Amino acid sequence: GIQVEQSPPDLILQEGANSTLRCNFSDSVNNLQWFHQNPWGQLINLFYIPSGTKQNGRLSATTVATERYSLLYISSSQTTDSGVYFCAAGNKLVFGAGTILRVKS
Amino acid sequence: DGGITQSPKYLFRKEGQNVTLSCEQNLNHDAMYWYRQDPGQGLRLIYYSQIVNDFQKGDIAEGYSVSREKKESFPLTVTSAQKNPTAFYLCASTGVYTVNTEAFFGQGTRLTVV
Repeated sequence: GIQVEQSPPDLILQEGANSTLRCNFSDSVNNLQWFHQNPWGQLINLFYIPSGTKQNGRLSATTVATERYSLLYISSSQTTDSGVYFCAAGNKLVFGAGTILRVKS
Repeated sequence: DGGITQSPKYLFRKEGQNVTLSCEQNLNHDAMYWYRQDPGQGLRLIYYSQIVNDFQKGDIAEGYSVSREKKESFPLTVTSAQKNPTAFYLCASTGVYTVNTEAFFGQGTRLTVV
């Protein structure tokens, strides 16, 4: 089955800094999503992005389907951006291990 | 409101008892999924179903059972055969025969077995 790998596993930022999270997947997919898990465990949909680029405020994402990776950009980070970021792909909605982001004030 | 609802939010059971977690969606989605999350870990797929009356095992199906009698509902039973049932359980749904297959999640059920 499809394998999904995320990097880096941990990231510590100073408030206001920018960051890039990466998601690699092992096979062609027709779906790719990014989620943010809040401290209560809820998964918040950030982007549904099988290909191309999307932007939502300070966040944007790009998926290059032919090269089997996706990037999540966070600009001008805030403490409220802290948490775990997951990507998921494929018909079985396989998740990567996540990136733990800590933004310090 | 359209969405996916899991209940209860917290559940406590004694060891050796079966327990059923509820997941209901009104998004008219064909596919539904159950995941388990342990502290500090990612999401692991337990079972998924892409159509009524059919479901497939995920990576960690042992000790769990599901049913899909209605499109809207996908209950998960944690049986006494599950060795470490204490975990956070998340349910999701997606479209299958649509262009957009974005997944949506419920708020989760925290199961504690004592």
